[in-house]
Amino acid sequence: AQKVTQAQTEISVVEKEDVTLDCVYETRDTTYYLFWYKQPPSGELVFLIRRNSFDEQNEISGRYSWNFQKSTSSFNFTITASQVVDSAVYFCALSEAGGSEKLVFGKGTKLTVNP
Amino acid sequence: GAGVSQTPSNKVTEKGKYVELRCDPISGHTALYWYRQSLGQGPEFLIYFQGTGAADDSGLPNDRFFAVRPEGSVSTLKIQRTERGDSAVYLCASSPSRGAVHEQYFGPGTRLTVT
Repeated sequence: AQKVTQAQTEISVVEKEDVTLDCVYETRDTTYYLFWYKQPPSGELVFLIRRNSFDEQNEISGRYSWNFQKSTSSFNFTITASQVVDSAVYFCALSEAGGSEKLVFGKGTKLTVNP
Repeated sequence: GAGVSQTPSNKVTEKGKYVELRCDPISGHTALYWYRQSLGQGPEFLIYFQGTGAADDSGLPNDRFFAVRPEGSVSTLKIQRTERGDSAVYLCASSPSRGAVHEQYFGPGTRLTVT
C-alpha cells in the first residue's frame, strides 16, 4: 500500500530563514514518482516538482531544492531565504507507475513565514 | 492557455439533495481525476478517467457517488442523497496522455457544504 507521511503539521519561521519540509513515503513498487505541491491561502494546488524513482539526483530551482534519498524513503524540500509569499500548505505526494497514476498525498505541512 | 476550471465554486445544499459538480480540464489532456479534500487534510483520490471511461473508481466512498465523462473532455461528479459528511472541497485535475506519470494540474475546486 502507498503511504506518504509529513510529520511536521505546522512550521513558523522568520523571513530569510531556511526551512526544510520533511516527506517520508512507503511503496512496494520499484517504479514510482514523487511530487510536491503548494497550496496557498487562495486554495489552488500548484505543482512544484516531479521526480521518478530512478533519479536520485538532487534538484535546485531558484530558492527551492529537493533531496531524494531512496535509502531512507525520503523526499525532503528546502526553501532557502524564505519569503512571506512562501506561506502556504505544502503537500508531498506519491504515484505508482502502471496503475491509475493517482496521487496519494500526505496531510501537508503549513508553513508560515513571518516578516 | 486556460487551466482546469470547476463550477460552481461554492455549493450549499440540504441533506438528502442531489448535486452535480462540473470539471473542464485543460484542452488535450486525456486523463482526468477527482479528489476530495477535507479541512486540514491532503486531497484523497476518488476516480480517474482515461478518455471517456472510468479506469479506476476505487476511491468513490459509496454508491451515492458517480462520475461521467461522456465525450472525453468535461466531467461531472454526481452525489445522490447528500449527507453532512460529504461536505468538503472537491478537486478536479487533468494531465496529458498515458505513457509516463505526468504531473496533474488542479482546478480551484468546488466547496460543497451540506446543511
